[in-house]
Amino acid sequence: AQTVTQSQPEMSVQEAETVTLSCTYDTSESDYYLFWYKQPPSRQMILVIRQEAYKQQNATENRFSVNFQKAAKSFSLKISDSQLGDAAMYFCASVIYNQGGKLIFGQGTELSVKP
Amino acid sequence: AAGVIQSPRHLIKEKRETATLKCYPIPRHDTVYWYQQGPGQDPQFLISFYEKMQSDKGSIPDRFSAQQFSDYHSELNMSSLELGDSALYFCASIRGGSDTQYFGPGTRLTVL
Repeated sequence: AQTVTQSQPEMSVQEAETVTLSCTYDTSESDYYLFWYKQPPSRQMILVIRQEAYKQQNATENRFSVNFQKAAKSFSLKISDSQLGDAAMYFCASVIYNQGGKLIFGQGTELSVKP
Repeated sequence: AAGVIQSPRHLIKEKRETATLKCYPIPRHDTVYWYQQGPGQDPQFLISFYEKMQSDKGSIPDRFSAQQFSDYHSELNMSSLELGDSALYFCASIRGGSDTQYFGPGTRLTVL
């Protein structure tokens, strides 16, 4: 069974600083995808970044990057130059498409950004 | 770019009533997933459809049913509503062969 764990219920960062959100997962499959979704107060689920398990290179999207450690089953999100608009709930998620493709989410990390 | 559309955005029902939630996927997306997010919780998978056929089922109560129509839109029907059904219901769509699900804005259901 797939499981995703986020052990940081809350994190705080100063504006313009860097913060790292942690995520670990467990699966016996070799072909899977990992995602970070952002959920601001509007409750919209917004895709932040995605990573294919077969790719060793860490994904990067502007100020957002991941540290994907496949052997350790770790998938952390780094936000550089944090902005007030980054304040939100962040969910880590995994999906295995040859098993139906449902997203399995972690518990979420509430990120606050201090001006 | 077109996004996933959900209607209604807000719905208030009484206990034991029935509710229908609608989802219109992004054009050319053939797969729809439904998720339920309770207060302070992460989204939980309910059910999915691919090419109008149910493809997977999660922790969906027997009181709930869903289907996908020929135009690929999907409806989630919820009967005998309970207080615990109050939640945010998301629909996400994906094009076959792709790997990223795109979420709609959600329907907030409140059961009184």
